[in-house]
Amino acid sequence: AVQLVESGGGLVQPGKSLKLSCSASGFTFSSYGMHWIRQAPGKGLDWVAYISSSSGTVYADAVKERFTISRDNAKNTLYLQLNSLKSEDTAIYYCARTSSFDYWGQGVMVTVSS
Amino acid sequence: DVVLTQTPVSLLISLGGQASISCRSSQSLVHSNGNTYLHWYLQKPGQSPQLLIYQVSNRFSGIPDRFSGSGSGTDFTLKISRVEPEDLGVYYCLQRTHNPFTFGSGTKLEIK
Repeated sequence: AVQLVESGGGLVQPGKSLKLSCSASGFTFSSYGMHWIRQAPGKGLDWVAYISSSSGTVYADAVKERFTISRDNAKNTLYLQLNSLKSEDTAIYYCARTSSFDYWGQGVMVTVSS
Repeated sequence: DVVLTQTPVSLLISLGGQASISCRSSQSLVHSNGNTYLHWYLQKPGQSPQLLIYQVSNRFSGIPDRFSGSGSGTDFTLKISRVEPEDLGVYYCLQRTHNPFTFGSGTKLEIK
């Protein structure tokens, strides 16, 4: 079965960095594009970034130049490097598979606060 | 950016009843390749979102035929017939035709 498991979240001060991971199993990871999506507490869903199977990347304007999506196909793992964090980046971060966002992880909480 | 307007904001439906959710886009969601990338998701309380319908009207694996999607261009609808207790949660539409990809603001379905 397809499984996506996020990790790496936590409490971080404004201006600091954090790296999230999404470990994939149950499918050929290298063949699929992957997304990061976030959800602020009590709010709706916001798309953050996408990486294609060939490692082309696209970002939401709100995170461009601060966040970097990457992948390691040998480790079946998707990453999101979060730099220059702001309080408004506080959210649950989900990874999701392919163009239909057909499978989602359980999410990982990132809290940006001093 | 494409704005997806979902209505209503909330729905109170009796068990066995029918629910209808609208998702209107600020621009056409027909991609240059002819496909329309409008998908529907349900986020049950305390859970991650799950895919219900992809590309307007295609049910995802394991989704019962009580769920149906329709529409074209800028106007899309999700219908849920014979509502069951496990259908409660927040429903979102998503467009992946135009970058940046955007979600609707959600419709909360409550069961009477």
